[in-house]
Formats: sequence, C-alpha cells, structure tokens
Amino acid sequence: SQQGEEDPQALSIQEGENATMNCSYKTSINNLQWYRQNSGRGLVHLILIRSNEREKHSGRLRVTLDTSKKSSSLLITASRAADTASYFCATDDGANSKLTFGKGITLSVRP
Amino acid sequence: DSGVTQTPKHLITATGQRVTLRCSPRSGDLSVYWYQQSLDQGLQFLIQYYNGEERAKGNILERFSAQQFPDLHSELNLSSLELGDSALYFCASSVGSGLSGNTIYFGEGSWLTVV
Repeated sequence: SQQGEEDPQALSIQEGENATMNCSYKTSINNLQWYRQNSGRGLVHLILIRSNEREKHSGRLRVTLDTSKKSSSLLITASRAADTASYFCATDDGANSKLTFGKGITLSVRP
Repeated sequence: DSGVTQTPKHLITATGQRVTLRCSPRSGDLSVYWYQQSLDQGLQFLIQYYNGEERAKGNILERFSAQQFPDLHSELNLSSLELGDSALYFCASSVGSGLSGNTIYFGEGSWLTVV
C-alpha cells in the first residue's frame, strides 16, 4: 500500500519557472526522502529530511516538512528541461528498513 | 552512476519460467534492498539483506526468493512467472542495516517482461 500521496499527479511548466510538488503521508515517520526517476531509469536520491527538521536546501531544491499536517513539499527553483522526470516521496518509520513510496509526480519542463 | 550494478537490464521470458536477477551493491555497502515497480502497484519493497542475513521482508511473493552472498552481491529469484510479474525490479544498497539517516542508492533496474 502507498504511504505517500503526491500532488499534483502531473505538472507542466515553462523552463525558468518554479515547480512545487506536494506529498502527504498517513502514519508517523522517521525520515522523508525525495527521489527523481528519469523515464525507465533508476531512482536518484535528491534529499532527505528528518522528522525533527522543517526545511532543507540543496542547490535549486528546497524541501519542507510539516509533521502536524503529515505533508512535505519539494520546490525546484529556476527549472530546466533536464528536470523533466518523475518525482517520488518516500517515508520510513524508523522501525524497519522499508521505504514506502508514493505514486509519483510527472514533471514536464518545456524549453 | 549510483555505483549499484544490476544485470540483466532487460529480459523477456515466458509464463511458468524462472529467472534470476543479479545485483552488486556500492563498494562498502552492506545492505541490499529489492524493490518492484509496476504500473498498478507502484514501487513496492520486497526484501532486504544485511551482511548476508535477511533483515526485512515486504510484499514478496512466495514464488520469489533472494539471497546475499559472502561477497555481498545479491540475487533475486523469480519462479513460476506470471504475466503480472512483468515489472521493473530495482536493487538498492546502503551502508547500514536500517534507514535512520541512511541514503539508499538505487541501481538502474532490470526490466522483466513475461509473455
């Protein structure tokens, strides 16, 4: 079963614009991670945010976490065509080794 | 390149057959994870091995089995294949046994098509 639910399911923006993707989850978490997957390729780890953190930056990426709302957002600033991919949030509860993934968001960045 | 190597990249096989997927983790990583990605189920955790021992089990069918060898490479065996087993199978690795603060690195996956 899916823990994370990303929103929107698909997003299309113009190069240079910012892209905001949201993830909601149902149960308590230890960490939340965002991954990118190019079509038919492997998952690339983008960023990890711990449950006691509220915001984290990495280059053009900004991730926020609101544990009271059980939600996270991934912001990609100044998007590029190369950012076109599917983005997944994944959570773990710290009790076991399982990462639970959402269904993913398809981001298209138009040149 | 994540450093996780999976073979084969693609395979096509018939229903009822058995296949073996192979994974070499990143150098120094002791944990190997197997995930299945399909259109209807999304990404599902199958199983984890840590330093040769089974560590955690997810939604792995009884027809599937895995092992991790002394050199830390892992194999996922899929038997009595059904059409619904067609999916992208990922191997991932991490340094530690748990997920606390550990980044998991994914391979490029093995595409399995059952016809």
